[in-house]
Amino acid sequence: AQKITQTQPGMFVQEKEAVTLDCTYDTSDPSYGLFWYKQPSSGEMIFLIYQGSYDQQNATEGRYSLNFQKARKSANLVISASQLGDSAMYFCAMKGNQGGKLIFGQGTELSVKP
Amino acid sequence: DAGVIQSPRHEVTEMGQEVTLRCKPISGHDYLFWYRQTMMRGLELLIYFNNNVPIDDSGMPEDRFSAKMPNASFSTLKIQPSEPRDSAVYFCASSLYFADSYNEQFFGPGTRLTVL
Repeated sequence: AQKITQTQPGMFVQEKEAVTLDCTYDTSDPSYGLFWYKQPSSGEMIFLIYQGSYDQQNATEGRYSLNFQKARKSANLVISASQLGDSAMYFCAMKGNQGGKLIFGQGTELSVKP
Repeated sequence: DAGVIQSPRHEVTEMGQEVTLRCKPISGHDYLFWYRQTMMRGLELLIYFNNNVPIDDSGMPEDRFSAKMPNASFSTLKIQPSEPRDSAVYFCASSLYFADSYNEQFFGPGTRLTVL
């Protein structure tokens, strides 16, 4: 069975500093994808970044990067130079290669302090 | 360029009433997903469609829930009769791909349902 674990219910970071949001996963699929979504207080789900299990390099999208450690089964999101607008819930998700569902973690609430 | 559209954004109803949530996916997307988000259970996939055909409804909690997709641009999620424990935010999402591990899903704004 597939499982996503986010162990940090809440995180605080000072504006302009970097922050790492943890995500570990478990799957028996040989090929899978890992995703991060942002959910601001307005409620919508915003796709941030994707990492394929066979990708050689860590994914980056602007200020977002994914620290992918396959052996440890972790896919941590790094946000550099935090902004006040980064305050939101962040969800890690995973999908296998054989069809199937996108499985979400419980989320981490990030608060950026001015 | 319109994203996924959901209506209503908020719905308050009384226990026992029928509730219908609506979704218009992004044009050209072949896959449509219905999710439910609660504090206790997080984000759960209820059902998804491919080319208007339901593929996996194993996440539908019980027979009170039903979903249809009569055409490529419209889907409904119906709860009949509704119960207080159905109170949640219901998201619709759509995507171009699903068969492989890359699956960027575009979410609608959600419908916040409150059943009194």
